[in-house]
Amino acid sequence: DAKTTQPNSMESNEEEPVHLPCNHSTISGTDYIHWYRQLPSQGPEYVIHGLTSNVNNRMASLAIAEDRKSSTLILHRATLRDAAVYYCILRGSMNRDDKIIFGKGTRLHILP
Amino acid sequence: GAGVSQTPSNKVTEKGKYVELRCDPISGHTALYWYRQSLGQGPEFLIYFQGTGAADDSGLPNDRFFAVRPEGSVSTLKIQRTERGDSAVYLCASSTSGRRTDTQYFGPGTRLTVL
Repeated sequence: DAKTTQPNSMESNEEEPVHLPCNHSTISGTDYIHWYRQLPSQGPEYVIHGLTSNVNNRMASLAIAEDRKSSTLILHRATLRDAAVYYCILRGSMNRDDKIIFGKGTRLHILP
Repeated sequence: GAGVSQTPSNKVTEKGKYVELRCDPISGHTALYWYRQSLGQGPEFLIYFQGTGAADDSGLPNDRFFAVRPEGSVSTLKIQRTERGDSAVYLCASSTSGRRTDTQYFGPGTRLTVL
């Protein structure tokens, strides 16, 4: 799987937008970009995924660069409950069984 | 509906003992995954089942680790002759069919401590 690079940690104020960056310069044309997050003492949970176009769902938005070498997860209005580790993951066509290869992710701290 | 459940939530054992960790996936999910997570690290893949068969066991660290899914639903991860380095949170996930666009749903994990 292609590698992703994320900042180790970020801070944001409550009720403000948060932009979590991810670099994936070696992404292949058929790799999907997925985001999962892991709240304290819980298993990871799915946030959003996309291929080329920007995506929105009830949890977040995913902005994908035109060359697909980077993407940004956007939390529009952070709450204390959004404090978690956020993982940016590439899931490619080479993996028919598609296990997830996690990196260390970005630990997001929300300041009240 | 019911999510992925794992039992026990915590397991403390002594070095050299045998342990079994259980995973109940979401009903109807054919794909089941085991991961383990050490402190400060992201989850690390161990093994993947498609139905009853292990489709990919490339993440199992050595032959002390074994997993089964005899009826294509519940899975058990078995660790023989436990070592202190096996201490970690063991996570189970399931998905509809295992495709790269399928969401993996994770359980809360079993925290294994080997003394």
